[in-house]
Amino acid sequence: ETGVTQSPTHLIKTRGQQVTLRCSSQSGHNTVSWYQQALGQGPQFIFQYYREEENGRGNFPPRFSGLQFPNYSSELNVNALELDDSALYLCASSLTGDGMRYTFGSGTRLTVV
Amino acid sequence: AQRVTQPEKLLSVFKGAPVELKCNYSYSGSPELFWYVQYSRQRLQLLLRHISRESIKGFTADLNKGETSFHLKKPFAQEEDSAMYYCALSPTGNQFYFGTGTSLTVIP
Repeated sequence: ETGVTQSPTHLIKTRGQQVTLRCSSQSGHNTVSWYQQALGQGPQFIFQYYREEENGRGNFPPRFSGLQFPNYSSELNVNALELDDSALYLCASSLTGDGMRYTFGSGTRLTVV
Repeated sequence: AQRVTQPEKLLSVFKGAPVELKCNYSYSGSPELFWYVQYSRQRLQLLLRHISRESIKGFTADLNKGETSFHLKKPFAQEEDSAMYYCALSPTGNQFYFGTGTSLTVIP
């Protein structure tokens, strides 16, 4: 059984650029959620995807967007990067109906300069 | 609005001593509450869920709706319990609201 893998592990971007982060869900999981964790803070919910449709969204602007593919892998896209977007981005997969047993990835550390 | 408060950023206890990590929440409905743990250089992982009423690695947590608390307790702390602990609330089943975390250090 494979876990959740995220790529890349680290990334440096310039303000105004666009970035795509990738997540491969745990085998058998059909739901993926993305979280942003700023330094010293707990993870904050960005959005969730289930069967390739957005299934809930947190308080993030539209420049944060996502995709889920038929194999349940997922992407997080952020446009017009701002310095405050610097954070650890976590992907978590789960199986709907499994009591919210999330499996988290190790995260992508994004630095915006 | 939903909110999870963990008042202690840092907590140190001696090995063998009892430990309690505090968590208070703000939510008008019946929440589902969780504790997540992150050991050094490992990913965030589920420790326990209140709906399961389980004890994992000797930890328990009781939901107190009157005090809106979900404190995590262990009677005898072990060195391997040193980690970052996050309390989380889920009102809808599709997202978590996390607290800011408590870093627990168990002193040998």
